[in-house]
Amino acid sequence: NAGVTQTPKFQVLKTGQSMTLQCAQDMNHEYMSWYRQDPGMGLRLIHYSVGAGITDQGEVPNGYNVSRSTTEDFPLRLLSAAPSQTSVYFCASSSYPPSSGSGDTQYFGPGTRLTVL
Amino acid sequence: SQQGEEDPQALSIQEGENATMNCSYKTSINNLQWYRQNSGRGLVHLILIRSNEREKHSGRLRVTLDTSKKSSSLLITASRAADTASYFCATPSFSGGYNKLIFGAGTRLAVHP
Repeated sequence: NAGVTQTPKFQVLKTGQSMTLQCAQDMNHEYMSWYRQDPGMGLRLIHYSVGAGITDQGEVPNGYNVSRSTTEDFPLRLLSAAPSQTSVYFCASSSYPPSSGSGDTQYFGPGTRLTVL
Repeated sequence: SQQGEEDPQALSIQEGENATMNCSYKTSINNLQWYRQNSGRGLVHLILIRSNEREKHSGRLRVTLDTSKKSSSLLITASRAADTASYFCATPSFSGGYNKLIFGAGTRLAVHP
């Protein structure tokens, strides 16, 4: 299994440009999520999905869109990049949502380091 | 707001010593997880402890959970240089209507040969 894969690894954008960060998993996980990590901080949830066709907003959704047309893929779209979106973005997946009764391990991708000039 | 808060923020030790990191959280939980992040990499799951468990072991890792104090600790015994990483605790939350893991800011551990 490849696990969770993310592309690209690095990206530089100019303010106002749009782009899509790709995330795919081959573990047949229902729950997928996007986090951003800024220096000195933990991870903050951007958007999440509990299954194909179902997405919802997290803590910091503004400026980002997601869709979940298949179980495997969960792309994150930056609509009009801003310098405040400079960050490292992580995609994660698990069989069940974090708040499910027994808890579940989140599998993380390697991250995409995004710089917005 | 961050539910999990790790302490200390940074820890520097020699190989062979033990490393202890603490995590405090604010609301009731059904489980607590610890993750490791090597520099420039994604997070890797280390251990999950459920609210009805008080202690759990995995290799050189020992995790404790005290739900009355809303705190957890991660002990790494006989540390190695390869343990150098950031360590995060994470707790699940359904607050605000969204289903997420809440991460603390992490403890940066440096193990010197």
